[in-house]
Amino acid sequence: DTEVTQTPKHLVMGMTNKKSLKCEQHMGHRAMYWYKQKAKKPPELMFVYSYEKLSINESVPSRFSPECPNSSLLNLHLHALQPEDSALYLCASSKGLAGGPETQYFGPGTRLLVL
Amino acid sequence: AQSVTQLDSQVPVFEEAPVELRCNYSSSVSVYLFWYVQYPNQGLQLLLKYLSGSTLVESINGFEAEFNKSQTSFHLRKPSVHISDTAEYFCAVSAYGGSQGNLIFGKGTKLSVKP
Repeated sequence: DTEVTQTPKHLVMGMTNKKSLKCEQHMGHRAMYWYKQKAKKPPELMFVYSYEKLSINESVPSRFSPECPNSSLLNLHLHALQPEDSALYLCASSKGLAGGPETQYFGPGTRLLVL
Repeated sequence: AQSVTQLDSQVPVFEEAPVELRCNYSSSVSVYLFWYVQYPNQGLQLLLKYLSGSTLVESINGFEAEFNKSQTSFHLRKPSVHISDTAEYFCAVSAYGGSQGNLIFGKGTKLSVKP
């Protein structure tokens, strides 16, 4: 089983709203990732969690707040977003082994529209 | 640092014709190589990967890619495409010694299969 699930599939929010994206995997992976993908572009890395600790933050604005409550779950809390934040948000996971490259498995994404 | 170049942004092809999507990479250390496919309005799916061993790797749906170290290439091929292969294809590399989440994507190639 190489499945990563994400909810919701679609989300429309106003600039004053607070919402959360959810990602879940049951592969026993210990590294989880958030990516942002704009139309016709490759995914851009936002955050990396390794063993439930934030290990990489790619200078993402504070209106995006990640959370890893346990090894299977990854959340992305959204607050006061801008229209330019509209994009496909992808979650991924990997085994989390140190020192080497890994295979990342992606979820289906949440398509976010900020009005 | 690593980089990935996908030489063609768009590849139109007729159904049942062969296709090759080109990918070249740059890295001073050993890498893992990946092809991901993104169907319209969906997330990324791992199509195939090269980690070590045989330089020719195959996917379950007829695609294959060959790792060529001397030419630093990992081109994706299929001898006969179907309409359902219409998608965006991303080549990616992950390097030894890189930070967690070090997955570098090419800009993508849009494969359009016409009847």
